[in-house]
Amino acid sequence: GQNIDQPTEMTATEGAIVQINCTYQTSGFNGLFWYQQHAGEAPTFLSYNVLDGLEEKGRFSSFLSRSKGYSYLLLKELQMKDSASYLCAVIGRDDKIIFGKGTRLHILP
Amino acid sequence: DARVTQTPRHKVTEMGQEVTMRCQPILGHNTVFWYRQTMMQGLELLAYFRNRAPLDDSGMPKDRFSAEMPDATLATLKIQPSEPRDSAVYFCASGFEQSSYNSPLHFGNGTRLTVT
Repeated sequence: GQNIDQPTEMTATEGAIVQINCTYQTSGFNGLFWYQQHAGEAPTFLSYNVLDGLEEKGRFSSFLSRSKGYSYLLLKELQMKDSASYLCAVIGRDDKIIFGKGTRLHILP
Repeated sequence: DARVTQTPRHKVTEMGQEVTMRCQPILGHNTVFWYRQTMMQGLELLAYFRNRAPLDDSGMPKDRFSAEMPDATLATLKIQPSEPRDSAVYFCASGFEQSSYNSPLHFGNGTRLTVT
């Protein structure tokens, strides 16, 4: 079976750093996505990891450890517009893409 | 700017009626996914296709849901008969066969379905 776990909600302060964790158990592994979704909108692509290590892209970074079935998304210099849900998704066998339930991130001024 | 197009954006219908949702994937993409999103369950995979062939529809209630790709530019999701518990946002997404940084999944704007 497949299972993806993320915290339901997190709160952080504007200008700070926040780390959103994701653990997974899947049948086959061909990569991991992070998506951002603002309320009432479609998910938009943030990052992709397939090898172990850190991928950095501006204020956002994503880390993967395949042996631990673990990833995190790191957001730096938080801005109010970063208030959104963050979705972890695993690409399994046959390119089947399963999403976690998402983490709602609240940014306080 | 290429995008996935879903119609209708909103649909309100009565229990028992048939609902058809349509999706036009990005030209050239060969995988199409249908997801349903609710507050409680998040994004649930209903079905997905590769090169128009269904690969997995185990997430769909088979007795009432059906998904097809009549051609490469159109994917449909039908619910017959609809029930109040089907109320959700239905997303279509398209991509290439091997997802990567340069070819992630692209989402349409969704169909918000309300069944009364």
